[in-house]
Amino acid sequence: KNQVEQSPQSLIILEGKNCTLQCNYTVSPFSNLRWYKQDTGRGPVSLTIMTFSENTKSNGRYTATLDADTKQSSLHITASQLSDSASYICVVSPDESWGKLQFGAGTQVVVTP
Amino acid sequence: DGGITQSPKYLFRKEGQNVTLSCEQNLNHDAMYWYRQDPGQGLRLIYYSQIVNDFQKGDIAEGYSVSREKKESFPLTVTSAQKNPTAFYLCASSIAGYYTDTQYFGPGTRLTVL
Repeated sequence: KNQVEQSPQSLIILEGKNCTLQCNYTVSPFSNLRWYKQDTGRGPVSLTIMTFSENTKSNGRYTATLDADTKQSSLHITASQLSDSASYICVVSPDESWGKLQFGAGTQVVVTP
Repeated sequence: DGGITQSPKYLFRKEGQNVTLSCEQNLNHDAMYWYRQDPGQGLRLIYYSQIVNDFQKGDIAEGYSVSREKKESFPLTVTSAQKNPTAFYLCASSIAGYYTDTQYFGPGTRLTVL
C-alpha cells in the first residue's frame, strides 16, 4: 500500500486562479517532506522541503504547508500561470540515516488560458 | 554547465534484447539512483549507489542490473528478464545518501518494447 496519497489525481484551472493540492502520508517516523514539479517528459525538480518542525515553506508563487500531527501537507499555487501546467509530486523521507524516499503518484495540473 | 544527463531520450527495444541506459552527473555527488515511473504510480526505486563500486537493490531490481565504476556514471541495463520494461526511467543523484539530501533528477529516458 502506498504510504503517500495525493489528491486530486488531476485538475484544470484557469490562468490567474489559485489552487491547492493535497498530500496525506503514513510514513512514520517521518523526517521531511518535499514537493517536486515534473513537466511532461522531464525529470522532477524540487520546489520545497519541510522538516517535521516546519509548518510552511514558500518558493515564489508556491506555498507548502505541513501538519505533522495529522500527517497532511498541501501545496498552494497562487495566480497560476500556463507554465505551472505539470505534475506535482509529494515525497516523504522516513527518519533513517539512509532514507528511501516514498513518492506519491502526483497531481496533474493543467492551466488553461 | 552542471547537472545530470541521461541518454538516449527515447529507446526502443525488441523483446529478448538487453539495453543500457546512460546516466552521467558532474555535480560531484556520491549517491546515485535509478527510478522507474509508470502512469498513475509513484516513482519506484530500482537500484541505488552510495559510493563507487558499491550498489544496492531497490524495491524492483528484478530484471535490471547496474554498475558504478566511476563516481560520475551509473548505467542501468534492462535485461530480457524484465517482463514489462516499457516505462519512463529516471536517474537521480544526491550529495550523499542521507534522508536530508535533495535528489536531483535527470531528464529521463522513455523505453518502449516493440
